[in-house]
Amino acid sequence: DTAVSQTPKYLVTQMGNDKSIKCEQNLGHDTMYWYKQDSKKFLKIMFSYNNKELIINETVPNRFSPKSPDKAHLNLHINSLELGDSAVYFCASSQATGDYGYTFGSGTRLTVV
Amino acid sequence: SQQGEEDPQALSIQEGENATMNCSYKTSINNLQWYRQNSGRGLVHLILIRSNEREKHSGRLRVTLDTSKKSSSLLITASRAADTASYFCATGRTGGYNKLIFGAGTRLAVHP
Repeated sequence: DTAVSQTPKYLVTQMGNDKSIKCEQNLGHDTMYWYKQDSKKFLKIMFSYNNKELIINETVPNRFSPKSPDKAHLNLHINSLELGDSAVYFCASSQATGDYGYTFGSGTRLTVV
Repeated sequence: SQQGEEDPQALSIQEGENATMNCSYKTSINNLQWYRQNSGRGLVHLILIRSNEREKHSGRLRVTLDTSKKSSSLLITASRAADTASYFCATGRTGGYNKLIFGAGTRLAVHP
């Protein structure tokens, strides 16, 4: 059973389109995250939700909108895609507080052409 | 901005040798964690060391933490070709919800 699963794994789309990435975790964790990994492998946190509540919202263009229907799901919707949005997007989950590691999904490679 | 700086950026060794990667960070932390990322895959949690700990072991991994120097090191002993991957340190902030800030990573290549 996959602990944190993301779909789709690959996404190729044209500039200006709107797309969504879905994430689900079956670990019973309270908190979920979206990270962006650029071409140089830098990982940057974008958003975090705890029990459906947005708790971390880094400096991200408002074309990116996360949605968490329940604590096991966190989706990322991106409007008006730009070339610079091309990256690998990782979903992760963890316990909310305390010293715990994250469990990551396998990533969604987004290519905007 | 990135919290951690990792050194070296790339490391190439032979099987059986030890690999040491270093990580420096800037602010106070609750814990420091190391992750491995194989090419085209997600990150896998390796080990967590709390701010009040100085050394931790897990199998062939040894992590040290020096909070006075704001630095950590990851030692992989008796490396194997399967250890080839990128290794990232990540710092957990003090107080509040978990929020990991990642370093830039070290690319390790272990040659048979």
